[in-house]
Parts: sequence; structure tokens; C-alpha cells
Amino acid sequence: AQSVTQPDIHITVSEGASLELRCNYSYGATPYLFWYVQSPGQGLQLLLKYFSGDTLVQGIKGFEAEFKRSQSSFNLRKPSVHWSDAAEYFCAVGASTDKLIFGTGTRLQVFP
Amino acid sequence: EAGVTQFPSHSVIEKGQTVTLRCDPISGHDNLYWYRRVMGKEIKFLLHFVKESKQDESGMPNNRFLAERTGGTYSTLKVQPAELEDSGVYFCASSLRHKETQYFGPGTRLLVL
Repeated sequence: AQSVTQPDIHITVSEGASLELRCNYSYGATPYLFWYVQSPGQGLQLLLKYFSGDTLVQGIKGFEAEFKRSQSSFNLRKPSVHWSDAAEYFCAVGASTDKLIFGTGTRLQVFP
Repeated sequence: EAGVTQFPSHSVIEKGQTVTLRCDPISGHDNLYWYRRVMGKEIKFLLHFVKESKQDESGMPNNRFLAERTGGTYSTLKVQPAELEDSGVYFCASSLRHKETQYFGPGTRLLVL
């Protein structure tokens, strides 16, 4: 069965520190992969996506993610976190039928 | 260009009552999706419309949930009668074509008391 695992429920970092949010997926075919972010009181915003091609994907707000087929991972990274990055982050895989399968989310807290 | 909009933003109802949620997709998007996040768990797929047709409704939890998309524009999701476990955030998303990026609305927060 298709699934997405985000092993970190809650992460706390200091402003200016680097960030890596982990995502592992289980999917039989070539996956479509996404990272969405939900800021407090807001809806889900697409950060970046991987469909094919270059395995290092650049997104908005300075985020990037790397698709590693051998590790079934699609980790999200940012070199220097800003206080406004505090939010909940969701990794998702696109299944063959178009529906998205989400992980449980990682809540990011940023300390000044 | 307007994004996906959802109404209402919040709804508080009593067990046994009926609630109808509305989603207006991005203009021109044929694909419309409903998702739900219950009690801080993962966001789960409910169903997918292509225009006015239900393409995939495998995620609908039971027959208390009825989704419609008359005319292929906006969609409604009705819960009748609502139960306590229906509380959560209901998200709507739309995409222009099959397997393209889904753009999400702000969600409707439903609380069943």
C-alpha cells in the first residue's frame, strides 16, 4: 500500500539555523512528490514538487528537496530558517489515481 | 487570479444535524478534490471530480457524506447526520489537468458537538 512517513512530529530550531525535514514514501511506481506548508490560520501552500528530471528541486521561500530513489526519500531542506517559516509541513505522494497521500506532518517551531 | 475558496471557514453544529460545505475551484480547473484532516492526523483523500463526474470516491467514509458538483463548477459536501468523529478540517483542492499540481483552499473547520 502507498504511504508517506514523516518521522518527526515536532522540530524546534533557532532562527538562522539550517533545517532538514524528513520524508519517506512507499510507492511501487515512479512517484510524484510534493511538499506543502500550512501556516497558522492558513490553507495548504505548495512549496515544491518533483515529477521527473533533476532530483534536486528548488521551491519557494528558499526551500529545496532532493529525491533519492534508493532511499525512498524526499527530504526538505533550507540553509537558514526565518521566524516566518514556523508552520506545519506536509510531504505527499501522488498516486496513480490522482489522489494525494499525505504524511502526518511536521510542526516546525523557530526560536529567535 | 482567485484561488480555491471554501465556505464557511468554520462551522459548529450538534451531533445529528446537517452541514453543507462549499468549494469554489480555480476558474477553468476541471479537477476538484476533497480531503479531510481529523484530530491532527494525516490529511486523507475523500474524492475526486472531473467536471461533474465522480472519478474516484474511494475515500468517502460512509453514506452520511454526499458530494456533488452540478455543472462542473463549484462543489458541495454534505454531512447528514453529522457525528462527533466528523470533526476536523475539510480541504478542497483543484487542478487544471490530470496529475498536475493541486491547489488547496484554506479549509473548513468543522466541529461536531
